[in-house]
Amino acid sequence: DGGITQSPKYLFRKEGQNVTLSCEQNLNHDAMYWYRQDPGQGLRLIYYSQIVNDFQKGDIAEGYSVSREKKESFPLTVTSAQKNPTAFYLCASSLIQGAGEQYFGPGTRLTVT
Amino acid sequence: GIQVEQSPPDLILQEGANSTLRCNFSDSVNNLQWFHQNPWGQLINLFYIPSGTKQNGRLSATTVATERYSLLYISSSQTTDSGVYFCAPRWEKLVFGQGTRLTINP
Repeated sequence: DGGITQSPKYLFRKEGQNVTLSCEQNLNHDAMYWYRQDPGQGLRLIYYSQIVNDFQKGDIAEGYSVSREKKESFPLTVTSAQKNPTAFYLCASSLIQGAGEQYFGPGTRLTVT
Repeated sequence: GIQVEQSPPDLILQEGANSTLRCNFSDSVNNLQWFHQNPWGQLINLFYIPSGTKQNGRLSATTVATERYSLLYISSSQTTDSGVYFCAPRWEKLVFGQGTRLTINP
């Protein structure tokens, strides 16, 4: 089955800890994306990657970091520098960046207390 | 910056009713997607529609790029249609509106 998987579904962390969210796709897509969604709001772009070993900041990159060592994987680290990390995080992919339909994973709900 | 406005913000209907959701955007776009976010948060692709009209079962969408708007039509609503509907026009990247929360009562 082709698709995008995110793990874990729910994640709880103490303030001051870094946490890494996983995103894997087997759609053979070059481009991958991370979005943040706050309650009652639309999605905002954190980071995106057009190709392996390349990534660009989105609209709200502060306090986050990413890597893209493999085409299939685009993990997101929420660092302790992120002031309001509690949110719903969604990963997406598309065949190429800037064109083509984006498909989304099921999301990870992160709660930091 | 680029603006995306969806209306209405909330819509409550009885099962069987029809509805029209609107998306206005502030600049010409390369493309546009409509999504349904279910109660578990999953974003489901509905339409990929830069212009013209597409239909998929009880749902159809029309984008008039020159007038900078898109419409999503839902006919004969079912309770499973409940959720939040997002439009996301694409310039260099997708830009999401705030969504329309649709509630279909039995």
